[in-house]
Amino acid sequence: DIQMTQSPSTLSASVGDRVTITCRASQSISRWLAWYQQKPGKAPKVLIYRASSLESGVPSRFSGSGSGTEFTLTISSLQPDDFATYYCQHYNTYSRTFGQGTKVEIK
Amino acid sequence: EVQLVESGGVVVQPGGSVRLSCAASGFPFENNIMHWVRQAPGKGLEWVSLITWDGGSTYYADSVKGRFTISRDNSKNSLYLEMDSLRTEDTALYYCAKDSNEYYFDYWGKGTPVTVSA
Repeated sequence: DIQMTQSPSTLSASVGDRVTITCRASQSISRWLAWYQQKPGKAPKVLIYRASSLESGVPSRFSGSGSGTEFTLTISSLQPDDFATYYCQHYNTYSRTFGQGTKVEIK
Repeated sequence: EVQLVESGGVVVQPGGSVRLSCAASGFPFENNIMHWVRQAPGKGLEWVSLITWDGGSTYYADSVKGRFTISRDNSKNSLYLEMDSLRTEDTALYYCAKDSNEYYFDYWGKGTPVTVSA
């Protein structure tokens, strides 16, 4: 089974900071990766799919890159609404696998 | 507007059974793969199971294989999860999620809680 590993687990940042979260796959997954944002008490919300495609309605400060085994989610200028937990997710025909999550906290 | 509304969450003893339901609306339910995803208290997201549009194929996480059964009734726009031989580690908020045409989750319900405790 493919394992997804995110780093860091927790990230402290200030409003306006550029933030990067990394997700590594245990084997090549091409570009079959999505990123989600989850706020406390809420369901996750998709931000990015196919590694770098921005979901409709998601602010352009969010971007994704990578292919194969290494992927990144970048927030170009952190806003107060962005403090949340972020998950990467691999998808194939038979399963879905999440990373363990990265919590973005206020510094 | 797409809506997914889960129900059936309960407190149950270890070894017990629970059936969760998800009522879907606002999209052509019969055309979409559907999923169950869970989240234990204070923990991350864990994919549980998926079912193809016609119910012809089902897949499960290793942690629930042989104990959980996913099903759907397209005539009722409903998704189900039958959970048997429940363990304390199955305690979680269970989400129903819609698969997009690109295989990621584009809509989620609010979740229904299942607590397995003696």
